[in-house]
Amino acid sequence: EDQVTQSPEALRLQEGESSSLNCSYTVSGLRGLFWYRQDPGKGPEFLFTLYSAGEEKEKERLKATLTKKESFLHITAPKPEDSATYLCAVRPGGGGATNKLIFGTGTLLAVQP
Amino acid sequence: DAGVTQSPTHLIKTRGQQVTLRCSPISGHKSVSWYQQVLGQGPQFIFQYYEKEERGRGNFPDRFSARQFPNYSSELNVNALLLGDSALYLCASSLQGAVEQYFGPGTRLTVT
Repeated sequence: EDQVTQSPEALRLQEGESSSLNCSYTVSGLRGLFWYRQDPGKGPEFLFTLYSAGEEKEKERLKATLTKKESFLHITAPKPEDSATYLCAVRPGGGGATNKLIFGTGTLLAVQP
Repeated sequence: DAGVTQSPTHLIKTRGQQVTLRCSPISGHKSVSWYQQVLGQGPQFIFQYYEKEERGRGNFPDRFSARQFPNYSSELNVNALLLGDSALYLCASSLQGAVEQYFGPGTRLTVT
């Protein structure tokens, strides 16, 4: 069964304190791993797509990496405005035309000044 | 360019009633997907439509249905509402052949 597990569930950091969020996955034929940011009461905001092991993508203080079993979202010197829930999702293979995403439950990040 | 838009923003319904949620994709996007997000959980896939045809369906009962119009906008209908249908309903659009999906702000449905 296709599954995504994120850890930790919640993370509290001091401003400037770097850390990493984990996303482990089990999927039949990965056709993309996605990171989204979600603010309370709003829709997810697209951050990154990763396709193959060894791939890395960066955006401002965020860097996403991918292995065959997991992905990490590294946050360098975070600021309070980085506080949000970070969602990881995979798009399974297995044929068919659907672009269905399977999401984890997210990591709630709080960055204190 | 405008992003994905959804209406209404909030909705309160009574058990047993029916509801229709609406979504307009980003201009040029022909694929629309619907997700349900219960508080504290990640979004769960309900439907995908592309060129007005259903391309995928998640593990939801037949009370849930959807359609896509010639202008690529979409409606999600839920009949015989249950308390457990209370959630944030998200619409996402994507370009033909693209994997990235862009989400709207969602419709918060409360069933009492």
